[in-house]
Amino acid sequence: DADVTQTPRNRITKTGKRIMLECSQTKGHDRMYWYRQDPGLGLRLIYYSFDVKDINKGEISDGYSVSRQAQAKFSLSLESAIPNQTALYFCATSAGVLATNEKLFFGSGTQLSVL
Amino acid sequence: GNSVTQMEGPVTLSEEAFLTINCTYTATGYPSLFWYVQYPGEGLQLLLKATKADDKGSNKGFEATYRKETTSFHLEKGSVQVSDSAVYFCALSAPGGTSYGKLTFGQGTILTVHP
Repeated sequence: DADVTQTPRNRITKTGKRIMLECSQTKGHDRMYWYRQDPGLGLRLIYYSFDVKDINKGEISDGYSVSRQAQAKFSLSLESAIPNQTALYFCATSAGVLATNEKLFFGSGTQLSVL
Repeated sequence: GNSVTQMEGPVTLSEEAFLTINCTYTATGYPSLFWYVQYPGEGLQLLLKATKADDKGSNKGFEATYRKETTSFHLEKGSVQVSDSAVYFCALSAPGGTSYGKLTFGQGTILTVHP
């Protein structure tokens, strides 16, 4: 079983709909992240959480919200989806500070299409 | 702010050719530098890293040297294989300030290796 699991793998929705992407992890990591990937733009950080009581905005948080339900679960919501939110979304975890000897562990991604 | 710039892709090579993917960065202080690889249909995974100037990261035949004087972290491999076909991302983690504990990614470089 994957250490970082994202559901669903693919989702097509319509403009204005609310949608939730879910992420769960079995690595026991405190830190969790949501990124979106767009061709030619790399990965951009949406939200991150360093523990259950800590939620922080990333560089592109507008139009998104998150919930850290438990150490193992971190959900991303689009309150009212719009077409430019069509992207590949990744959840990731880390055990500690990335500037030291830690690394990110990624899920397999959720491809979201907003029509 | 922090930023990472990678060479434009896609890069197409024949098997056993030499690979270089350029990466330069802008950051305050002394960041840690990373290369992540994304194989088709998968999430990103750490390929190699370097945490201080003149360090060389290496893994699976790939190498990159942290060059502070040129703010670069170019990825190299002497003889690529078809199985190296993937998207490669350069990233940095800054040591302090508002970027602490987070990764900033480059835009990614698509590598295709033909037999």
